[in-house]
Amino acid sequence: DADVTQTPRNRITKTGKRIMLECSQTKGHDRMYWYRQDPGLGLRLIYYSFDVKDINKGEISDGYSVSRQAQAKFSLSLESAIPNQTALYFCATSSTGAAWNEQFFGPGTRLTVL
Amino acid sequence: GQQVMQIPQYQHVQEGEDFTTYCNSSTTLSNIQWYKQRPGGHPVFLIQLVKSGEVKKQKRLTFQFGEAKKNSSLHITATQTTDVGTYFCVRASNTGKLIFGQGTTLQVKP
Repeated sequence: DADVTQTPRNRITKTGKRIMLECSQTKGHDRMYWYRQDPGLGLRLIYYSFDVKDINKGEISDGYSVSRQAQAKFSLSLESAIPNQTALYFCATSSTGAAWNEQFFGPGTRLTVL
Repeated sequence: GQQVMQIPQYQHVQEGEDFTTYCNSSTTLSNIQWYKQRPGGHPVFLIQLVKSGEVKKQKRLTFQFGEAKKNSSLHITATQTTDVGTYFCVRASNTGKLIFGQGTTLQVKP
């Protein structure tokens, strides 16, 4: 059983549509993250949350919003999707403690915006 | 300023050959992590280095952190087809954010 799950795994949508990507974890970690991956650019941080009441912008938060519904759930929304948001999106978790704890990644959501 | 630069971007090797990827920073790093992403998969943590000059080994993989803590390397001895994937060096900020290098994609010809 996967510790970090993402739904949906694949999504094709049209420009202007609202999209929500969901992440759930059973690791009991307080910290959760959303990244996007584009070819040749590695992973870039969109938003992160260190506990249920904490939300922080990453390096590329414009056009995205998040919701931390519970310790185990962290959702990423695209309010009005645009084609350059076509990418692979990963959720990750880590435990509280040293700032540089290992992160555990979900399987990813491949999003295509037409 | 806070980025980590990784070279090469791509590397094709014959099975059995060695492979090295390098990670460089213009600023001193408090730590460096390495992740591996298999084709179609997600990043998986390999190791973390925190001490100046640190060397760690995992079977055929050798990880090194430079004396000045501004560079790191991953060396694979005698590559196998199972080594295929993209290797990322990653620095963690003191607020817990991970900053990924661009990655080195390794292809191994059998």
